[in-house]
This record gives sequence, structure tokens and C-alpha cells, in this order.
Amino acid sequence: QKEVEQDPGPLSVPEGAIVSLNCTYSNSAFQYFMWYRQYSRKGPELLMYTYSSGNKEDGRFTAQVDKSSKYISLFIRDSQPSDSATYLCASTPAAGNKLTFGGGTRVLVKP
Amino acid sequence: GAVVSQHPSWVICKSGTSVKIECRSLDFQATTMFWYRQFPKQSLMLMATSNEGSKATYEQGVEKDKFLINHASLTLSTLTVTSAHPEDSSFYICSALEFPYEQYFGPGTRLTVT
Repeated sequence: QKEVEQDPGPLSVPEGAIVSLNCTYSNSAFQYFMWYRQYSRKGPELLMYTYSSGNKEDGRFTAQVDKSSKYISLFIRDSQPSDSATYLCASTPAAGNKLTFGGGTRVLVKP
Repeated sequence: GAVVSQHPSWVICKSGTSVKIECRSLDFQATTMFWYRQFPKQSLMLMATSNEGSKATYEQGVEKDKFLINHASLTLSTLTVTSAHPEDSSFYICSALEFPYEQYFGPGTRLTVT
């Protein structure tokens, strides 16, 4: 079993819809949680990070962490075709440690 | 966010030659950098953790004599693929840690070994 699991998709939504992405993890030591966006043949771009459980909002993006169920979510409101990319969740037990990535979910936002 | 650059963005080399890839943090100092490899439609595979002024820590299964990592300054880490073979062809990506926990990635280097 991988430490961080993600549905590979693709997840196809119409423009303007809410994109809902999630990951599950198995390592109870994970404390920091990140979401990255990666376009084809580019490096990942850090979207959001959270510490421990709770919600965090940044513009159209909302990240949620539920440590009791080991569940991580990312919501993208008012999705745009430019949001079409692969979204990667990542976790680490401590600041500065290496990240453990999920396999990524491919998202397609259709105009 | 912080900016990390990689050079070159694409390199083609002949089998048996060595290739060096540079990773630079442009607007922050990074005591720790990471090197990843990514195959098409797959997630990132961590190869090694590079700390400034010390030897890199390689992940299990990664040949340290083949993938030489040098983190000579707080803004530069290099990955040298020695005696490259076609199976080394891949997308190599570095990331730099802006303390304490934000990792910023470079744009990646596509290596093709013929």
C-alpha cells in the first residue's frame, strides 16, 4: 500500500464547476500537507500547504485536512480551462523533510 | 512564490557520455534541495536529498555512482548523470526547500540518451 493514494482520473468537469480532489494517507506521522499543480512537461507548482487538520482558503482554492480520517481535499471553485492539469498531493511528517507524493489526478476542464 | 531554475531544459546526449544538470534557487537560499525523476504519466520519484556542504542522501535503489549530486552553495545543486544509457532518458526535476517547509520546483530537464 502506498503511503499517499490518489485517484488518477481523469476528472472531467465543465467550465465554472467545482473541482473536488482528494487523497488518503496511511502515515499517522504526517503533519504537513501540500497540493501541487503540474502542467504537462513542466515542474510542479505549489498551490497550497496546510499544517495539521483544518481548512485553508486562497482565492479559488480551498484545502481541507482531516487527520482523524487521514483524508486530504482540494476544491477549485469556478474552474477554468487553464486549470486543466495534474494535481498532486504531498505530505511530510516534519518541516524540511522529504515529501511523499500521491500519484496525481488529471483534471480536464471543458469550455 | 519563490523561483527555482534548471539548466538545461532539454538535453540530448550519446550513450556513454555524462550530462550535468544545474538547479538554482534564484531568490532564496536553500540548504536542502531534492532531485526527482518522472516518467510519462507517472508521479515524481525522489532520487536523492541534497544538503549544502554535505553528501547527498540517496533513496533506495538509486545508484549514487551513476547519479552524482553536488550541493556546493546555498543556491546551486547539480546532478550529473554519468555514462548515460537510453534507460536513463527521463524528465529530471529539482526542488529547493525554502525553510521551513515550502518546496519549490524547477521547470524540469528532459534528458534523451541516444
